[in-house]
Order: sequence, then structure tokens, then C-alpha cells
Amino acid sequence: SQKIEQNSEALNIQEGKTATLTCNYTNYSPAYLQWYRQDPGRGPVFLLLIRENEKEKRKERLKVTFDTTLKQSLFHITASQPADSATYLCALKEGFQKLVFGTGTRLLVSP
Amino acid sequence: EAQVTQNPRYLITVTGKKLTVTCSQNMNHEYMSWYRQDPGLGLRQIYYSMNVEVTDKGDVPEGYKVSRKEKRNFPLILESPSPNQTSLYFCASSLAGLAGGTSSYEQYFGPGTRLTVT
Repeated sequence: SQKIEQNSEALNIQEGKTATLTCNYTNYSPAYLQWYRQDPGRGPVFLLLIRENEKEKRKERLKVTFDTTLKQSLFHITASQPADSATYLCALKEGFQKLVFGTGTRLLVSP
Repeated sequence: EAQVTQNPRYLITVTGKKLTVTCSQNMNHEYMSWYRQDPGLGLRQIYYSMNVEVTDKGDVPEGYKVSRKEKRNFPLILESPSPNQTSLYFCASSLAGLAGGTSSYEQYFGPGTRLTVT
């Protein structure tokens, strides 16, 4: 089954900088990959989906890339703000109807 | 307001005492699923349901049961809870299944149920 690797160490950056989070997977490339945001004690919230035939997807200050050769997705937040501090999860479809999540990377944006 | 609700939000129980965690969505979604979240292990899918009366196992189904008798409800049943089922549980729904079509496959998550089994 798929294994998803996200950096377990927290990422600390200064406000205004670009945060880049990594999601690596081990097996076949999925039809799509999703990114979610999770705040402490709350359910994940969907942010973006990128399909296997898309190289890049943008939404406001968010950008996601998908490299099926490297088996990697990068999630960027430009002009980061303290309110962006949260844990970010990547998820990909496995098989027909299962969704597999990574353990997430915690982002801390300091003023 | 479009939402997924779970009850209870917090539950402390003892080993072996049957319990049910309810999940309901008001978005007419076809696909619903249950996850548990544990430190260092992330979100793991327990069961999912494609539609009424259609359910299937996720990655960690042992010790759990589900049913989907109505489209809006997807309860999680622990017939004989054990301490290793202490966890944070999330219910989620999406408009359609995860395969095919042009859906965004966006999952809407409930607020979570923190379960402690002693």
C-alpha cells in the first residue's frame, strides 16, 4: 500500500516569507493528490487538489506542484502570515475508493 | 449551514461497554467515511461508504462496525471497546466517491470525537 512521507519536524518561518512543505509517496502515482489544513483539536479542511496530469495548481497565496517522476508534491504558501500556522496534510487516493493521509507537517509562522 | 456533525464530542468509557458515535451530514453527499487520528500515525481510514447500504473496509477496520441505512447518517459502532481504540475520531463526507467524474473529491470533516477507553 502507499506510504506517504511528510516532514514530521515543524517548519518555522518568518511572516512574509514563502513556506514550502513536501509530500513524498512511495508507490504508483495516484490519480490526484489533495492538501488539507488542520488546526489543533479540529477536523481537516480541504485546500487544494492536483491531478496527475497537472504540474501546478494555484489558489490565492497557495500553490501546489505535482511531480510524478520524483513522486512528490510541494505545497507553497507565499507571503505567509501567523494565521497560516497549522498542520498541513497531504492525501492521495489509493485503489478505488480509499484515501490515504500523511502524518502532516506543522507550520509555525512568527511575526 | 453545510456541515458534518458528530456526537458525542468527548467520551470516556470502560473496556467492553458497547458504544456508538453518530455522524450526520446535511449536504446530500454520497460518500462518507470514518478515520482515527493518532500521534505519529496520522489519519487512518476505518470504513467508508459509497452510498446507502454500501460499505467497505478501510485500513484499520478491526474492532469497528458501521452501517448506512440513510444517506445522511453513518454511525460508527464499537461493540467491545478496548484501550487501543482510544483515539480522536473523524467522520467525513464528500459529494461523490473518490473515483471518476469531475468532482473535486473534497472531503468535509466533522469536528471530531475524542474517545478514551479505560
